[in-house]
Amino acid sequence: NFMLTQPHSVSESPGKTVTISCTRSSGDIASTYVQWYQQRPGSSPTTVIYEDNQRPSGVPDRFSGSIDISSNSASLTISGLKTEDEADYYCQSYDGTIVIFGGGTKLTVL
Amino acid sequence: QVQLVQSGAEVRKPGASVKVSCKASGYIFIDNYMHWVRQAPGQGLEWMGWINPNNGDTNFAQKFQGRVTMTRDTSMNTAYMELSRLRFDDTAVYYCARDDSSGWWGVDYWGQGTLVTVSS
Repeated sequence: NFMLTQPHSVSESPGKTVTISCTRSSGDIASTYVQWYQQRPGSSPTTVIYEDNQRPSGVPDRFSGSIDISSNSASLTISGLKTEDEADYYCQSYDGTIVIFGGGTKLTVL
Repeated sequence: QVQLVQSGAEVRKPGASVKVSCKASGYIFIDNYMHWVRQAPGQGLEWMGWINPNNGDTNFAQKFQGRVTMTRDTSMNTAYMELSRLRFDDTAVYYCARDDSSGWWGVDYWGQGTLVTVSS
């Protein structure tokens, strides 16, 4: 199975834009959909992006997802950062019937 | 509305087993696969496997094969995850998570989590 590698942490100021990457170790990033989950401290994860770039209802359009074939990676971009966006973010994809999570990225909004 | 309500925290000794339940409501239980995901303290999400509540088929991450059992009771709309031969590093929050039925193994709803502590 492939792995999904995320930066351990990122930080940015309120109002700015941040991008979190998720790099696939083998196989084409475009061959399977990527989901993104947000987990605030002490809470269960919630979906912020599914199928690479789709937002569930209720997720603000400040959240967007994309894939980059050249770097074989997916990205989650959050614009107009708010303090409430401070959380851990996980990418997720699959290999056949096996679900694969990235290691998670801690976003600090300071 | 969809809800997944899990059983309460458990403490077990090394070598013992633990069974966590996940009661679903707000949708047709057999229509969506159920995943189990765990998170050790301060660590990331780790997928353990899924169960198809419609027929009981299961699929596990290789790491847990031989130690994990996933079952369901369709009359109770409840899924279960049992982990045996517990070790200290099995201490974690265990989540049930509903598959979104897209075919891409995404999750759309999560339970509140069940803390399992393995301690002598």
